[in-house]
Amino acid sequence: DAKTTQPPSMDCAEGRAANLPCNHSTISGNEYVYWYRQIHSQGPQYIIHGLKNNETNEMASLIITEDRKSSTLILPHATLRDTAVYYCIVRAYNTDKLIFGTGTRLQVFP
Amino acid sequence: GAGVSQSPRYKVAKRGQDVALRCDPISGHVSLFWYQQALGQGPEFLTYFQNEAQLDKSGLPSDRFFAERPEGSVSTLKIQRTQQEDSAVYLCASSLDQGEAGELFFGEGSRLTVL
Repeated sequence: DAKTTQPPSMDCAEGRAANLPCNHSTISGNEYVYWYRQIHSQGPQYIIHGLKNNETNEMASLIITEDRKSSTLILPHATLRDTAVYYCIVRAYNTDKLIFGTGTRLQVFP
Repeated sequence: GAGVSQSPRYKVAKRGQDVALRCDPISGHVSLFWYQQALGQGPEFLTYFQNEAQLDKSGLPSDRFFAERPEGSVSTLKIQRTQQEDSAVYLCASSLDQGEAGELFFGEGSRLTVL
């Protein structure tokens, strides 16, 4: 699976949009971009995934660049409960295995 | 419950003891995974089952680690002769099936401390 690069930490004010970047320059054509998050003392939680089109669900939006070498997870109105470690993962469609990196620690402040 | 259940939530073992960690996946989920998470690190893949078949055990760190899922439902991760470096949170996850939409559902983990 392709490796991903994320900033180790970010801050965001409550109510503002949180934009979390991820680089995956070696992604191949059959690999999806997945985002999970892990709130302290809990297991990781699925957020969203995409192949090449932008995706939106009730939690977040995923913007993937046209060359697919990077993506951005957007939490449109961050709350204190969104404080967590966010993992960007690239995964081939024909395998279930997720390979986690070290993620981005997002701190939402009042 | 509706989620992935792991037990025990906390386990303290003396070095050299054997431990067994249990995972109850979501009913009907075909795939089951074990991950190890050291403090401050992301989860590291250990092993993967599809029903009762262990399809990938490439992440097991040594032959002291053994996992089974004999009836394709509940799984047990066993660690023999525990060492201090085995101290970590062990996460179990399940998914309905293999494929593009195979979202993994994680349990809250079993925290193992080896003294």
